[in-house]
Amino acid sequence: DAEITQSPRHKITETGRQVTLACHQTWNHNNMFWYRQDLGHGLRLIHYSYGVQDTNKGEVSDGYSVSRSNTEDLPLTLESAASSQTSVYFCASSESRGSNTEAFFGQGTRLTVV
Amino acid sequence: DQQVKQNSPSLSVQEGRISILNCDYTNSMFDYFLWYKKYPAEGPTFLISISSIKDKNEDGRFTVFLNKSAKHLSLHIVPSQPGDSAVYFCAASAYGYALNFGKGTSLLVTP
Repeated sequence: DAEITQSPRHKITETGRQVTLACHQTWNHNNMFWYRQDLGHGLRLIHYSYGVQDTNKGEVSDGYSVSRSNTEDLPLTLESAASSQTSVYFCASSESRGSNTEAFFGQGTRLTVV
Repeated sequence: DQQVKQNSPSLSVQEGRISILNCDYTNSMFDYFLWYKKYPAEGPTFLISISSIKDKNEDGRFTVFLNKSAKHLSLHIVPSQPGDSAVYFCAASAYGYALNFGKGTSLLVTP
């Protein structure tokens, strides 16, 4: 069965360190997204990609970067982790731009920056 | 500014009764609307969707209603069951672009 997986599921890191969260999907979807979930804010879009070599900033992109070198993966990098980036991160994928279909989410990564 | 708004952070309903979750949006370009359900420590899962060309979509116990003139949609769950207790997120997109989410409504269904 096709799926979307995130790793690690839990991560504790120190302030200032670089951290990369992995996201891998086997749906062969063109679209991939990174969201963060925080109490009182719901799900906020960090970065997204509509295809290989395409990346775009979302509403809370400061301090984060992504790269899309293949269809299956969209790793999220925190360049210098800050306590404000303690959150639960969700990766999602959907078919393609212009196609109204649902997005499928991974199980999430809980990141704690100490 | 938030384009999708869920103004009720929480809702408590008795088992067997109807649960009504509401959502408002501001962007008239949105043409696809979705509801997601989320349990603790899990990712959101798709529940039901509706295209802007429709005003109602039904799937078993779940019905979504769309009022485009009011920029309002609602999710009805009938009858509500304890297993429906979760956080429900409303989401919207335009032309298949990234989903915009509301802040969520926590539903508690009591026996």
